[in-house]
Amino acid sequence: AQTVTQSQPEMSVQEAETVTLSCTYDTSENNYYLFWYKQPPSRQMILVIRQEAYKQQNATENRFSVNFQKAAKSFSLKISDSQLGDTAMYFCAFMKPPTSYGKLTFGQGTILTVHP
Amino acid sequence: GAVVSQHPSWVICKSGTSVKIECRSLDFQATTMFWYRQFPKQSLMLMATSNEGSKATYEQGVEKDKFLINHASLTLSTLTVTSAHPEDSSFYICMHPRGAQETQYFGPGTRLLVL
Repeated sequence: AQTVTQSQPEMSVQEAETVTLSCTYDTSENNYYLFWYKQPPSRQMILVIRQEAYKQQNATENRFSVNFQKAAKSFSLKISDSQLGDTAMYFCAFMKPPTSYGKLTFGQGTILTVHP
Repeated sequence: GAVVSQHPSWVICKSGTSVKIECRSLDFQATTMFWYRQFPKQSLMLMATSNEGSKATYEQGVEKDKFLINHASLTLSTLTVTSAHPEDSSFYICMHPRGAQETQYFGPGTRLLVL
């Protein structure tokens, strides 16, 4: 079974600064997807970024980028120019297509607070 | 706009009653729906996989008779918490995958409080 570990229960950052959230995972699969999801106080799950394991290039979405290290099974999220609206709980998630049928396995989550 | 809705968004009930939570796919035929449970400041734990026209698949440790799942149509999956107790108080979220499964659509969640 796959496991996803987020070792930082809480993080804080000053507005406009950069913060990195850590995620490691364990799998014997070669093809899979990794995700970062954001859950603001409304608790609606919002996709931040997605990485396909067969792609060596790190995914980027505006201020959000990942450092995907497949051999080390590490998938960290970097948030640049942090904004107050980035305050949320962030989840790293793993999916093994196609046999998982879209099922996600989540890490424990990291609560990020952006201070003005 | 929202593509997955959940109803109700909030429910408070007395211990011993049953509560039904509906999850609707608004613009897509969802043959598969996942149900997650989340306690405050904790992760989302998969409870079961709902499949249209067949029995749901439950994760280890989840009581089938306690959490009844029905997926009678391609746009509606329901989760019924039977004989609810205070420990069932939680946030319940449905999700369905699309495309080659790489895209997930989450409902807004249902907060259940059992008194």
